[in-house]
Amino acid sequence: GAGVSQSPRYKVAKRGQDVALRCDPISGHVSLFWYQQALGQGPEFLTYFQNEAQLDKSGLPSDRFFAERPEGSVSTLKIQRTQQEDSAVYLCASSLDGGAGTEAFFGQGTRLTVV
Amino acid sequence: GESVGLHLPTLSVQEGDNSIINCAYSNSASDYFIWYKQESGKGPQFIIDIRSNMDKRQGQRVTVLLNKTVKHLSLQIAATQPGDSAVYFCAEIFNRDDKIIFGKGTRLHILP
Repeated sequence: GAGVSQSPRYKVAKRGQDVALRCDPISGHVSLFWYQQALGQGPEFLTYFQNEAQLDKSGLPSDRFFAERPEGSVSTLKIQRTQQEDSAVYLCASSLDGGAGTEAFFGQGTRLTVV
Repeated sequence: GESVGLHLPTLSVQEGDNSIINCAYSNSASDYFIWYKQESGKGPQFIIDIRSNMDKRQGQRVTVLLNKTVKHLSLQIAATQPGDSAVYFCAEIFNRDDKIIFGKGTRLHILP
């Protein structure tokens, strides 16, 4: 596709359930970022990949959060044992080469609601 | 810690007037500053960026000003249109190979 694609668009999970959120970056983009955006707030950094290497995961809020990008393209953000505070929009972004100094393109996000 | 903030959470502007959205940042070592526009239900959209060695950059109907002395960033939108209604975020990047740090955002409301 022409842009960053995220799926599902919406996800409702029962507390304690595991979820997996998918990001398809723009083809050929080296860098991939995950952000968490709570209602009315700015996006908060979670983790960053350059190709398949996870260079920074300092923003992951707990060990229940795990991200991977095994072949350097599609990425999955997994949240185990979801809690109500995990409810947010999860945004993925990609950029052509290393780092966000070049223009980063964001997907529409996955809205996760934990009930 | 890292902090990019905004002076006003909501800005109302008459259609056709110019809009000025302000932002204060705290990391004087940041190398890039970016403005994003986020419409409801969408991801942030890049508007314009500026490197720390510049003080002004112009795009189509937008201008970004950087004042490093007071650590202030602003976005000027000329002849504001209804389609400009959105939340605007300033953001900073410490260096080129690093993550984007977002501020809280300013909602721009266009009055008819």
